[in-house]
Amino acid sequence: GENVEQHPSTLSVQEGDSAVIKCTYSDSASNYFPWYKQELGKGPQLIIDIRSNVGEKKDQRIAVTLNKTAKHFSLHITETQPEDSAVYFCAAHRGNQFYFGTGTSLTVIP
Amino acid sequence: SAVISQKPSRDICQRGTSLTIQCQVDSQVTMMFWYRQQPGQSLTLIATANQGSEATYESGFVIDKFPISRPNLTFSTLTVSNMSPEDSSIYLCSVELSPAFFGQGTRLTVV
Repeated sequence: GENVEQHPSTLSVQEGDSAVIKCTYSDSASNYFPWYKQELGKGPQLIIDIRSNVGEKKDQRIAVTLNKTAKHFSLHITETQPEDSAVYFCAAHRGNQFYFGTGTSLTVIP
Repeated sequence: SAVISQKPSRDICQRGTSLTIQCQVDSQVTMMFWYRQQPGQSLTLIATANQGSEATYESGFVIDKFPISRPNLTFSTLTVSNMSPEDSSIYLCSVELSPAFFGQGTRLTVV
């Protein structure tokens, strides 16, 4: 099956700085890679996604990059704000199933 | 997109009892998924629920412990049976419309 690894597990940044979270996957058949943000007491919410035929996607302060050859993808948040503080999960989609990373707890320090 | 309503949002239960979690979707979907998220951990798939057939369980999860119903294309229930403190987790239902959409989760505490 697919194995998704996510790093770092915790990340603290100063407000206004950038944050980068990285994930690797093992199965080259995975073709879709979403990122989720989970705030305390809530379910995961999709923030950005990328398909395997695209190398980069950007949505305002959030971007995702994908390197299919190396089987890794990254989430980039620029100009971080305190409301970006949450747990972020990456995922890889293969077949009809999602495989999730272990999560990154991001703290943005005002 | 999909809007998923899940209830209860939280509950505290006595060990040995059972809790049924409900999940309602605002559109018809073929497959619904149930996940468990233990404290500080990632999401683990419990089972996939298809309408009109028995749920498919992942390794480590069995129907007797986590019976699932899927009576129609917009609704599903997950029951956590004969609960123990180890069952304390967040339980999430999900639908896959590429991406996956999640309910707000049920935070279960077993005492």
